[in-house]
Amino acid sequence: DTGVSQDPRHKITKRGQNVTFRCDPISEHNRLYWYRQTLGQGPEFLTYFQNEAQLEKSRLLSDRFSAERPKGSFSTLEIQRTEQGDSAMYLCASSSDVAGGPPYFGPGTRLTVL
Amino acid sequence: AQSVTQPDIHITVSEGASLELRCNYSYGATPYLFWYVQSPGQGLQLLLKYFSGDTLVQGIKGFEAEFKRSQSSFNLRKPSVHWSDAAEYFCAVGLMNRDDKIIFGKGTRLHILP
Repeated sequence: DTGVSQDPRHKITKRGQNVTFRCDPISEHNRLYWYRQTLGQGPEFLTYFQNEAQLEKSRLLSDRFSAERPKGSFSTLEIQRTEQGDSAMYLCASSSDVAGGPPYFGPGTRLTVL
Repeated sequence: AQSVTQPDIHITVSEGASLELRCNYSYGATPYLFWYVQSPGQGLQLLLKYFSGDTLVQGIKGFEAEFKRSQSSFNLRKPSVHWSDAAEYFCAVGLMNRDDKIIFGKGTRLHILP
């Protein structure tokens, strides 16, 4: 399977702990996106990368959130000092450089903060 | 700023009936447009996209959508729904020819009556 993969699929953590999620995009895709989705809502944009460069960050991404894509391949999203409000599905997507290239989504990582 | 509006939170149709899901966008330039479907517990699957050219685009699973620039709309249609079409549907918009994020609507949940 050459789709977008995310690890872990589920994460339960206690408030105040740090968590890190990984996303492996489709291999030939240069763009990588992170979104957050809560119950009953559409995906909310967090950040995206063009190769290793982080091009935009949403206001939703507080100082506790950091994303990296060091070699332009996989990406990590870290949340420090988690809060209960961080509980959500974190979605990763990738797309090609071709104009209008649609993002293809991974299965997501469901985070539960107790 | 770009925005996407899906006016209907829930829609219920009978199996075999036709379907139209509405999507309106606000954007200062020519957009590219997508529809995604998300079944319970599943990831987001691309149904179709509009980039340029013919304003009526065909997608998977018998869906189609029509781009109407004058109405800033990109409504999704299907002539005859099946019970398996019950899911959440998301419209998304991106800006053509720029490095830019893709914004999603809040979604429309489709219910199918037997």
